[in-house]
Amino acid sequence: QTVVTQEPSFSVSPGRTVTLTCALTSGSVSTSSFPSWYQQTPGQAPRTLIYSTNSRSYGVPDRFSGAILGNKAALTITGAQADDESDYYCVLYVGSGIWVFGGGTKLTVL
Amino acid sequence: QLPLQESGPGLVKPSETLSLTCTVSGDSISTRSYFWGWIRQPPGKGLEWIGHIYYDGTTYYNPSLKSRIIISIDTSKNQFSLRLTSVTAADTAVYFCARVPRGGQWLEGDNWFDHWGQGILVTVSS
Repeated sequence: QTVVTQEPSFSVSPGRTVTLTCALTSGSVSTSSFPSWYQQTPGQAPRTLIYSTNSRSYGVPDRFSGAILGNKAALTITGAQADDESDYYCVLYVGSGIWVFGGGTKLTVL
Repeated sequence: QLPLQESGPGLVKPSETLSLTCTVSGDSISTRSYFWGWIRQPPGKGLEWIGHIYYDGTTYYNPSLKSRIIISIDTSKNQFSLRLTSVTAADTAVYFCARVPRGGQWLEGDNWFDHWGQGILVTVSS
């Protein structure tokens, strides 16, 4: 069974840049994994940030960006703000009509 | 904003069947540009993809749930539904429905979740 891994937690100071990653336990992430990224605050539905590796969803500020870094998908937040403190999830297509969510990263801004 | 609204019972007994419906407003569920999907989130845990369906009935399912789930679509009502059989306490979760766009080149796998319902908490308990 394919597992998608993310850092369980991350901390960043306001105004700094942070990169969250999304990896496969077996194999490499590529653009053919079509990574997407979601932001979720407690009690709310997720908000779509990035799709198809690096396309920003409508209304998402350009300080959020997506890319492939090495063998992982990456979400970079440039100039972190207090309201970026959330849980972040990636999703990867692993083939055979199967999509898998990562376990999520809890981002703290302090 | 595209409203999607989940509906169904908030309490289901163990071994019974969980049935949820997602009603889509503001867009036709028959459009060829989108799938329609279900995702769940157990309390305090992460998100889990359940599956999604196309207007023509084509489905993709999470292999770990495949033997217990059926996702169906009713284009006349602009709704799609989830049935999960033989539920246990492990199926207690907030269930979200979502629109699932197809990427511009309609490549297999190039899908993501853009508009989400608010979610509905389903508790499995006797």
